[in-house]
Amino acid sequence: RKEVEQDPGPFNVPEGATVAFNCTYSNSASQSFFWYRQDCRKEPKLLMSVYSSGNEDGRFTAQLNRASQYISLLIRDSKLSDSATYLCVVNRVTGGGNKLTFGTGTQLKVEL
Amino acid sequence: DAGVIQSPRHEVTEMGQEVTLRCKPISGHDYLFWYRQTMMRGLELLIYFNNNVPIDDSGMPEDRFSAKMPNASFSTLKIQPSEPRDSAVYFCASSIGGQRTEAFFGQGTRLTVV
Repeated sequence: RKEVEQDPGPFNVPEGATVAFNCTYSNSASQSFFWYRQDCRKEPKLLMSVYSSGNEDGRFTAQLNRASQYISLLIRDSKLSDSATYLCVVNRVTGGGNKLTFGTGTQLKVEL
Repeated sequence: DAGVIQSPRHEVTEMGQEVTLRCKPISGHDYLFWYRQTMMRGLELLIYFNNNVPIDDSGMPEDRFSAKMPNASFSTLKIQPSEPRDSAVYFCASSIGGQRTEAFFGQGTRLTVV
């Protein structure tokens, strides 16, 4: 089983729609979590961290469920510019440091 | 700061040749990560360093791959000999460290082995 799993999509949604992505992780020792965004042929960039209590940044809301070992990302009022691949990232402390493991990403296409 | 700098941006080489990818992390960052990205497998962690010391190289696919970090401002990923299945985008990323710090990525090296 992969350490981080995501539905690859693509999710095709109309502009203005609300869309949600889920991600599951297998190692219960994982300690912190992030969502990254990757545009086509570009490098990944941090979108937001995910906190236990859930957190919101404008149209974006991230949630963490440690008991079920999943995290989610909700995008409200989606824009054409939200079209990208969204990567779930899990940070786990190992013997020598912080190991960042990425999911394979969920592709979002927002259409007119 | 210029961010994480990788070179070359593109590399086309023949099977069997040695390939060296280079990375300059952000100054002051203690962690350096090498990832490989393909359509089939997504972003795979190959190896990461903490304070120039390799911590986890379990993602390195085989002995043909090696990585070094001789100092805090430079790292290399070498493939010798290269094979067509090594074709991918190779990303280097660096971070300050700690659980909540962001990893910053370079623009990647697109490697094609023919």
